[in-house]
Amino acid sequence: DTAVSQTPKYLVTQMGNDKSIKCEQNLGHDTMYWYKQDSKKFLKIMFSYNNKELIINETVPNRFSPKSPDKAHLNLHINSLELGDSAVYFCASSQSGGSEQFFGPGTRLTVL
Amino acid sequence: GDSVTQMEGPVTLSEEAFLTINCTYTATGYPSLFWYVQYPGEGLQLLLKATKADDKGSNKGFEATYRKETTSFHLEKGSVQVSDSAVYFCALSKDGGSQGNLIFGKGTKLSVKP
Repeated sequence: DTAVSQTPKYLVTQMGNDKSIKCEQNLGHDTMYWYKQDSKKFLKIMFSYNNKELIINETVPNRFSPKSPDKAHLNLHINSLELGDSAVYFCASSQSGGSEQFFGPGTRLTVL
Repeated sequence: GDSVTQMEGPVTLSEEAFLTINCTYTATGYPSLFWYVQYPGEGLQLLLKATKADDKGSNKGFEATYRKETTSFHLEKGSVQVSDSAVYFCALSKDGGSQGNLIFGKGTKLSVKP
């Protein structure tokens, strides 16, 4: 059973389009995250979210918005895609108070 | 601000060689320290962690000791295998890593040749 899953695995799209990446976790965790990994493998937190609080990294453009239909899902919606958005996006989850985050397999986004 | 610095890769070793990947951190207070591993095409997995000074984290033959005096958390393994080929990330967190404030180093790619 996959603990944290993401769809799609690959996403190729044109500049200016709007796209969404989905994330689901079946671990019963109450906190979920989105990370961006650039071409040099550098990882940076974009958002963390539980049912009480959304914490946004201040460097994330407002074209990016997380949407959580329920506790097990945190989707990432991106408006007006730009070339610089090309990266691998990782979803993760954890239980608040715990010390380990569980990562999904990643979504490789390519903007042409 | 808080930060993590780890040695730049790539690191290429022969099977059964000794591995050290250096990691140092800058942080106020008493962070928790982690090593994550990313195998090709996969997400990150927690490899080991230490939550206070002098703690040693260990897993799958890897070890790292939390050294507050040198602000370091170097990763070591006595005898690497081809299956250890991956990217290794050192990270810190102020609150145990559960609230999204994991700060990662830039990753070190390890290639182990047979």
